[in-house]
Amino acid sequence: AQTVTQSQPEMSVQEAETVTLSCTYDTSESDYYLFWYKQPPSRQMILVIRQEAYKQQNATENRFSVNFQKAAKSFSLKISDSQLGDAAMYFCAYSDNNNDMRFGAGTRLTVKP
Amino acid sequence: EAGVTQFPSHSVIEKGQTVTLRCDPISGHDNLYWYRRVMGKEIKFLLHFVKESKQDESGMPNNRFLAERTGGTYSTLKVQPAELEDSGVYFCASSPMTSGVIQEQYFGPGTRLTVT
Repeated sequence: AQTVTQSQPEMSVQEAETVTLSCTYDTSESDYYLFWYKQPPSRQMILVIRQEAYKQQNATENRFSVNFQKAAKSFSLKISDSQLGDAAMYFCAYSDNNNDMRFGAGTRLTVKP
Repeated sequence: EAGVTQFPSHSVIEKGQTVTLRCDPISGHDNLYWYRRVMGKEIKFLLHFVKESKQDESGMPNNRFLAERTGGTYSTLKVQPAELEDSGVYFCASSPMTSGVIQEQYFGPGTRLTVT
């Protein structure tokens, strides 16, 4: 069964600094997608970034980038130039052809001014 | 374009009572998913609709949970009778139907269910 592990329940970062959130997963599939979702205190979960497993190039979206290590089954999220609005719960998620998503337990990120 | 909406945003009920949660997906999205997050734990998959059909309900915890999606539009998730361990946040998500490409799922704000 596919599992997703986020080993950091809480993280904090100083405003304008860089932080990396960790995620590992387990699967026997070769074709899958990985996602990072953000859930701000207002509760609506939104997609931050996605990575297709067949792509070797790491995905980037402005200040957000991932370090995708397929062999190690690792998918970390780097947030550069952290802003107060980045404070949220971050969920790492996995999806394959079964379509349902497997989530990690989440990492609560605090941004200090 | 309206996003995924869920109603109610918060529900407090007593053990043994019945509660019905509603999800309205993004218009045109054939896929609809229900997830649940118990406090401090990971978000767990409950079930997946493709239009009005249940594609996968392997995550439904027991027969006290009943999900429907009549007409392939909105969906309801009924818990009857509710137990204390059913407390948590219930998320709904939707995605368009495509072949061969795994789509991003768009999430609703969730319904926080508290069973006392």
